[in-house]
Amino acid sequence: GAGVSQSPSNKVTEKGKDVELRCDPISGHTALYWYRQSLGQGLEFLIYFQGNSAPDKSGLPSDRFSAERTGGSVSTLTIQRTQQEDSAVYLCASSPGLLNSPLHFGNGTRLTVT
Amino acid sequence: AQKITQTQPGMFVQEKEAVTLDCTYDTSDPSYGLFWYKQPSSGEMIFLIYQGSYDQQNATEGRYSLNFQKARKSANLVISASQLGDSAMYFCAMKDTGANSKLTFGKGITLSVRP
Repeated sequence: GAGVSQSPSNKVTEKGKDVELRCDPISGHTALYWYRQSLGQGLEFLIYFQGNSAPDKSGLPSDRFSAERTGGSVSTLTIQRTQQEDSAVYLCASSPGLLNSPLHFGNGTRLTVT
Repeated sequence: AQKITQTQPGMFVQEKEAVTLDCTYDTSDPSYGLFWYKQPSSGEMIFLIYQGSYDQQNATEGRYSLNFQKARKSANLVISASQLGDSAMYFCAMKDTGANSKLTFGKGITLSVRP
């Protein structure tokens, strides 16, 4: 059906607050990925899911970051006690899960920590 | 560990001309896939083209082609007949075996098309 959907599209929060970012992947895509992109920079891998499990969470910057995926579908990325350096665009992508399958990206959530 | 290198500074090309965007990679895995994405100023990530490590021919998709030189570990993107709408950031990325392994991105190259 539709593409990858992320919400909110923009989030402004105060330093120290917790935030939740949501990703709704393309229906039937088994793999789901979270990336972070700071202004003018490349994409930094955070975590990926195969089904509901996360075989690779090596990119999570600190224990303030966590993510879960339920029902093999929707994923939530949670950042606790936000810091100004967390300000970035958080991109979610999904894939059918083959080597030659491109990742389909959502439009991202722009997080600003004041 | 995977590594993608894109070292060109901002690139400029005249409208209707061809341009090559460089990408080199490093992996110890014999089976891998190479991807190019376009990110215009709107921020969306647009998939352009894919090349598998065992593919015998260079990939082509419309005006996009990939100059794949396996021995040199390079996968350069060639855009023919540049259009103003091609102005964007371009990212090279790689995925190795383990179908759901992460896609590792280079730092990107900014392309500006001049009228």
